[in-house]
Amino acid sequence: KAGVTQTPRYLIKTRGQQVTLSCSPISGHRSVSWYQQTPGQGLQFLFEYFSETQRNKGNFPGRFSGRQFSNSRSEMNVSTLELGDSALYLCASSLRRTGQGRYGYTFGSGTRLTVV
Amino acid sequence: AQSVTQLGSHVSVSEGALVLLRCNYSSSVPPYLFWYVQYPNQGLQLLLKYTSAATLVKGINGFEAEFKKSETSFHLTKPSAHMSDAAEYFCAVTDPPGQNFVFGPGTRLSVLP
Repeated sequence: KAGVTQTPRYLIKTRGQQVTLSCSPISGHRSVSWYQQTPGQGLQFLFEYFSETQRNKGNFPGRFSGRQFSNSRSEMNVSTLELGDSALYLCASSLRRTGQGRYGYTFGSGTRLTVV
Repeated sequence: AQSVTQLGSHVSVSEGALVLLRCNYSSSVPPYLFWYVQYPNQGLQLLLKYTSAATLVKGINGFEAEFKKSETSFHLTKPSAHMSDAAEYFCAVTDPPGQNFVFGPGTRLSVLP
């Protein structure tokens, strides 16, 4: 079955612009989580969506937002981009809410965002 | 709050040698524990997970990990390293009731010929 699909794979944006990243989870998975990965900070949790509702949010400014559609596809948006937003953004889907523990994540390959 | 430590940000082993990557967690209750591997410019792939069944967990690619409650550890091992094992490895923990994963900082494994 198809894995988690993230588009685009690579993106270059200018400071001040906004960007939208897309994630299609594994069929049947209702939970989608987003992570930011940087060399200095490692993997940092952004937010989790389950059944179109944000269930958990990490410690990121309001410039980072997301949503989930009825087909479980998710988008995240970053407005007013800063140089420090350059990172690999990873989407992960899970059968149940990730807090239900035993269901591990399946990750996409990520979107590499470069802000110049 | 849960936390995960991984001793050694970079580990080098020779091809054919034992691989040991360390993971310790903090938790007042038995957690669920995971090991993920990440190859360059890729997402994370699940290697194995502990969900309170057998304490010795076997995963993909010949890796295994043992949950030791008394040591709050979940170290990852492989008897014989292969060049293709070179990657970054992340240990993660999650509480059962509704909290998200907490990932460790990762350990980069290099395999020398």
